[in-house]
Amino acid sequence: IAGITQAPTSQILAAGRRMTLRCTQDMRHNAMYWYRQDLGLGLRLIHYSNTAGTTGKGEVPDGYSVSRANTDDFPLTLASAVPSQTSVYFCASSADSSNNSPLHFGNGTRLTVT
Amino acid sequence: GQNIDQPTEMTATEGAIVQINCTYQTSGFNGLFWYQQHAGEAPTFLSYNVLDGLEEKGRFSSFLSRSKGYSYLLLKELQMKDSASYLCAVRDSNYQLIWGAGTKLIIKP
Repeated sequence: IAGITQAPTSQILAAGRRMTLRCTQDMRHNAMYWYRQDLGLGLRLIHYSNTAGTTGKGEVPDGYSVSRANTDDFPLTLASAVPSQTSVYFCASSADSSNNSPLHFGNGTRLTVT
Repeated sequence: GQNIDQPTEMTATEGAIVQINCTYQTSGFNGLFWYQQHAGEAPTFLSYNVLDGLEEKGRFSSFLSRSKGYSYLLLKELQMKDSASYLCAVRDSNYQLIWGAGTKLIIKP
């Protein structure tokens, strides 16, 4: 089934530990995104990639890094987790970054940093 | 700053009609999206508006007025499965999506 796969589904992580959230899409979409969703707030963009080999910073990039070595994969790394990074993380993709290209979302990773 | 405003929560009755409003103030405008998100699930795309007017898609319609910075999502013949959060998002002049916090819609029998 075509779509976006995120792993893990959920994770409890000790503060200070390193963690990589995985995201893979099989729709050959050019653009990919990482968002975090917190109660009472809109989705906030962490990092994005308009095409393989390029990445950009979103609204809340501090403490996170990404890479886009190929079209399908867009991992998000927390170098040293802090409790404020407790959130639900959604990976998304779109055919391109143009006006009317809707985002398709993965099922999310629920991360708790203790 | 950029801002998207939606009501936090709304309640409606099964079989009725409900209108969810969204007002926005963004640096530029390159389209407005509505998404549906059931609790614990991913957002899913509902509609896209870039020109003024009404876009109808089955039981769901979306309206846009660019001069007023205003959109609404209209849901007709409400079903229990429509209980979800509805997210409004605007693509700004840099083609980034700015998201509202979402409207939680509760459907009662």
